[in-house]
Amino acid sequence: DQQVKQNSPSLSVQEGRISILNCDYTNSMFDYFLWYKKYPAEGPTFLISISSIKDKNEDGRFTVFLNKSAKHLSLHIVPSQPGDSAVYFCAASDNYNTDKLIFGTGTRLQVFP
Amino acid sequence: DTEVTQTPKHLVMGMTNKKSLKCEQHMGHRAMYWYKQKAKKPPELMFVYSYEKLSINESVPSRFSPECPNSSLLNLHLHALQPEDSALYLCASSHLTLSGRSYEQYFGPGTRLTVT
Repeated sequence: DQQVKQNSPSLSVQEGRISILNCDYTNSMFDYFLWYKKYPAEGPTFLISISSIKDKNEDGRFTVFLNKSAKHLSLHIVPSQPGDSAVYFCAASDNYNTDKLIFGTGTRLQVFP
Repeated sequence: DTEVTQTPKHLVMGMTNKKSLKCEQHMGHRAMYWYKQKAKKPPELMFVYSYEKLSINESVPSRFSPECPNSSLLNLHLHALQPEDSALYLCASSHLTLSGRSYEQYFGPGTRLTVT
């Protein structure tokens, strides 16, 4: 049972435009959500997170939106840069299994000039 | 400093070998993790140490043996592995709140393991 889903395996965006990566979850107990970026042959890099008590968190070019009623979160990157090309994973945790991050399957973002 | 280091970067071992993967962090984090990642898949949790004690073992085969010698170090001892164990092995660490909750996990660069 895939509790965290990223339905788009890939996304291609022109440099300077907005990239929107989506993530859906099924477990209503999740209360903390994270986005990670991964380059090939490297470990995931933490990007940004959001608690379920918020609906938006912003850090520079990255903004995460959370819609609890829809069990949906999204990562907006604006403006997109070629260096943003990577695989993006969303992840979630709950207050009972706090050490376990449940990862989505990832979305490969390609930013072209 | 949010750095987690892992050695070696690459490892090739035969099915009868014994080897160890090492992980180190100096962020004062009291939770440390081992993950396995196959190509085009998300990281898969193997073990969790909280305050140097094993708190989670995700039903990992006994040919993988974790060890946490102190709060900064985490080892993964490997013995009699199978070719299907070839993967990227990732270490991560996180801060624990007073209630024992962890939030962001910081990952190392990984060890690319090939079992022949």
